[in-house]
Amino acid sequence: AQSVTQPDIHITVSEGASLELRCNYSYGATPYLFWYVQSPGQGLQLLLKYFSGDTLVQGIKGFEAEFKRSQSSFNLRKPSVHWSDAAEYFCAVVPQSNFGNEKLTFGTGTRLTIIP
Amino acid sequence: DSGVTQTPKHLITATGQRVTLRCSPRSGDLSVYWYQQSLDQGLQFLIQYYNGEERAKGNILERFSAQQFPDLHSELNLSSLELGDSALYFCASSLHPRSSTDTQYFGPGTRLTVL
Repeated sequence: AQSVTQPDIHITVSEGASLELRCNYSYGATPYLFWYVQSPGQGLQLLLKYFSGDTLVQGIKGFEAEFKRSQSSFNLRKPSVHWSDAAEYFCAVVPQSNFGNEKLTFGTGTRLTIIP
Repeated sequence: DSGVTQTPKHLITATGQRVTLRCSPRSGDLSVYWYQQSLDQGLQFLIQYYNGEERAKGNILERFSAQQFPDLHSELNLSSLELGDSALYFCASSLHPRSSTDTQYFGPGTRLTVL
């Protein structure tokens, strides 16, 4: 079955430390890939996206993600987290073959806590 | 600020009632999507409109309906509300589907509480 998996429900990181949030997908072909962030009480903000080309994509707020076809993964990284990065992070996909239904399918999210 | 607006921000109502959630897409965007975020179901796609026409449906209940108007704003109507309908409802918009760079931008959401 087609799915998006974020294996880590909750991650705690010290401020200034590096971060990696995992995302794996299970689709017949490589989908379009997205990372969104939801701060407490806020909507979803797009961090970055991958359609094709360079497998390392840069986003806003110092985030980057790397697409690895062999691992069906699209992990989000940040070299040094700030307290303001505390939020919930969602990986999402749109299958390229889904013409006529471009809905986003979301993972279950990873809650990021930052400790001083 | 994504440019997508949603009203109201909060809505508290009773079981059995009907409510209308409103969404205005980003300027120029033709497609509107509705999503529901709940603790048990996560983020789920409800329905998509493109230039006034329904384009795709997800797991939207029959008690729920939506439409997109000529000015491209959209409304999501929820009727015969149940406790389980309590959730955060998001609207997203995009320029047009199947563009190679099409991206959905989300509004701040409407938090619905059914008592």
